[in-house]
Amino acid sequence: DVVMTQSPLSLAVTPGEPASISCRSSQRLLFGNGYNYLNWYLQKPGQSPQLLIYLGSTRASGVPDRFSGSGSDTDFTLTISRVEAEDLGVYYCLQTLRTPYTLGQGTKLQIK
Amino acid sequence: QVQLKESGPGLVKPSETLSLICTVSGGSLNRYYWTWFRQAPGKGLEWIGYVYSSGSTNYNPSFKSRVSLSRDTSKNQFSLVMTSVTPADTAVYFCARAHADNYNILVAFDHWGQGSLVLVSS
Repeated sequence: DVVMTQSPLSLAVTPGEPASISCRSSQRLLFGNGYNYLNWYLQKPGQSPQLLIYLGSTRASGVPDRFSGSGSDTDFTLTISRVEAEDLGVYYCLQTLRTPYTLGQGTKLQIK
Repeated sequence: QVQLKESGPGLVKPSETLSLICTVSGGSLNRYYWTWFRQAPGKGLEWIGYVYSSGSTNYNPSFKSRVSLSRDTSKNQFSLVMTSVTPADTAVYFCARAHADNYNILVAFDHWGQGSLVLVSS
């Protein structure tokens, strides 16, 4: 199975400040078509996950442009340019290149 | 707007069978991958498997032969059946929709249900 490792596992950020979350995979997620099959999700407290980023760097519909995804192959980063209070929750990376699809442990974002 | 909603018993006894249904509204099952995830209390998410609109399936091997997924296009529903449950199967179960690209690789899970808590206890 592809092992997904996120860091940090928690972070506290002041509103207006940036935040970054790293996700590393044990196998390459870059396919021959040039796409990385890596998603980012946010699970707000008491809610189901919501898609933020797919194919490594494409924002999902309705996602604010303060969220961006970058990276390739085995190293990926989710960046929030200016954190807002509503961004609190747990962030997960998920790979869809190989079954079983696997997720990182989650990174809990708290607001200072 | 596509919406998914899980339904089923909230309590199942150990060694018995867990059955959940996900009802899809606002869209059809066609050309999508209908998926189940679960999240044990205080834990991360785990992919269980999917059933494609054609009826083909793909399961997480960690569930071995305990899981079966199916769909009913006439009712716009898909379902999860898990046999021989133990307390370790206590979790919130989420259904979700995914689409694939031209290479038949799943791209993303773009719609999720609210989740259904299942407690396995005698």
